[in-house]
Amino acid sequence: NAGVTQTPKFQVLKTGQSMTLQCAQDMNHNSMYWYRQDPGMGLRLIYYSASEGTTDKGEVPNGYNVSRLNKREFSLRLESAAPSQTSVYFCASSEEEGSPLHFGNGTRLTVT
Amino acid sequence: AQSVTQLDSQVPVFEEAPVELRCNYSSSVSVYLFWYVQYPNQGLQLLLKYLSGSTLVKGINGFEAEFNKSQTSFHLRKPSVHISDTAEYFCAVSPTGRRALTFGSGTRLQVQP
Repeated sequence: NAGVTQTPKFQVLKTGQSMTLQCAQDMNHNSMYWYRQDPGMGLRLIYYSASEGTTDKGEVPNGYNVSRLNKREFSLRLESAAPSQTSVYFCASSEEEGSPLHFGNGTRLTVT
Repeated sequence: AQSVTQLDSQVPVFEEAPVELRCNYSSSVSVYLFWYVQYPNQGLQLLLKYLSGSTLVKGINGFEAEFNKSQTSFHLRKPSVHISDTAEYFCAVSPTGRRALTFGSGTRLQVQP
C-alpha cells in the first residue's frame, strides 16, 4: 500500500504565482486534511474534508483553497503565493472519529 | 477550542538514559490523545494513542504515555533511549465529536552517545 501520496516533493515559486499541491490516499479513508509545518509552531490545520463533498476551514485557511475531487484525492491550491506561505505542507487522512491520522511525506514549498 | 502545550522545545539525553517528554492540553470536552514521531525529512508516524480505558498506554519502539485527566497531561516516557530515537516528537489532541487533530509545537529529542 502506498498510503498517502503527495506531489510534488519540492517546489519553488515566485511571489504571485499559483500552484496546486496534490494528495491521494488508497486506504479508503473518509476524512482528509492539509496541514502546514513551520519551525517552532508544530503543525497547523489549513483545511479539512470530513467526507467526500464537504470541506471546512481550519486554523490558518487564508490564502488557500481546497478541492475534494473524490474520496481518494484532496488538493490544496495557492492562488497568489506569498513569502509567508513558505512552509512544509502535509496531507493526511483518517478513517473515523478517534482514528489516528496517516501522513504523506510532505511538500517543501519556498516562495521567493 | 482546544490547545496543546509541549513544555520543552529540546531535550538532550545520553544513550540508555530514561526520558520524559511533557505534554499538557486544554479542552472543554473529552479528548482523544496522540503522540507522533517525525524523523528528518519524513512525515509523521503514530507512536501511540489514548482513546479510553487504561490510562497507561504502550506504543511502538518501547515508548509509553500516561493520561492524567486531573492534570490534563499526557507525558511520553521511555526507560532507556537509543541513538535511533533522535527525532522530533509531537503531542496532539482531538476533541470527541471531531476528527482533525490539534498539535503541540514539538519537542526535539537529541540522544547523545
